[in-house]
Amino acid sequence: EVQLVESGGGLVQPGGSLRLSCAASGFTFSSYEMNWVRQAPGKGLEWVSYISSSGSTIYYADSVKGRFTISRDNAKNSLYLQMNSLRAEDTAVYYCARVRKWLQNYYYYYYMDVWGKGTTVTVSS
Amino acid sequence: EIVLTQSPGTLSLSPGERATLSCRASQSVSSSYLAWYQQKPGQAPRLLIYGASSRATGIPDRFSGSGSGTDFTLTISRLEPEDFAVYYCQQYGSSLFTFGGGTKVEIK
Repeated sequence: EVQLVESGGGLVQPGGSLRLSCAASGFTFSSYEMNWVRQAPGKGLEWVSYISSSGSTIYYADSVKGRFTISRDNAKNSLYLQMNSLRAEDTAVYYCARVRKWLQNYYYYYYMDVWGKGTTVTVSS
Repeated sequence: EIVLTQSPGTLSLSPGERATLSCRASQSVSSSYLAWYQQKPGQAPRLLIYGASSRATGIPDRFSGSGSGTDFTLTISRLEPEDFAVYYCQQYGSSLFTFGGGTKVEIK
């Protein structure tokens, strides 16, 4: 079964740090690009960060650039999000999601087809 | 950055009715980069539609997507009780992924 399981969430004070993990199983993790997406309480979805299959290409949303670092360990089938200088507005459920990218009829298709159940991060004093 | 605006914010309908959800982009989006997701309370999002009009695996054919350029639509032909949820459109472009604000489909 294709599965993503996030962990590492919790309560942290403003200015603190947290490292989220996402364990992948049931597919060849090293072949897929990955995203982190978050959802603040009662709000919509917000893309956070992207990493290519090899880890060589990384993108961040402006809201987290310079504070968050995405990484992966393909040998361990794991994705990570190191979150530093946390703010109250970073409070959210954090999801990891598998990115599907494929070519058909000269067009690339790009979407997120598998999601984990999420891990909750609360930034509060 | 491309902004996606979904409307209406809330759609109040009865089971069996047709739902039409709109997603408008601030600039042209490649159809192959436009997806729709369904999210129920306490659950992760679920992929419904990719490439603007292709149903994901296991998605019933009452769900359909259409559109191009800046205007995209998700249609649910006949609402089933399990379809009442929040729906998000999402696009990829210029090294960014962006989501619309969501449309909540609620029971009237």
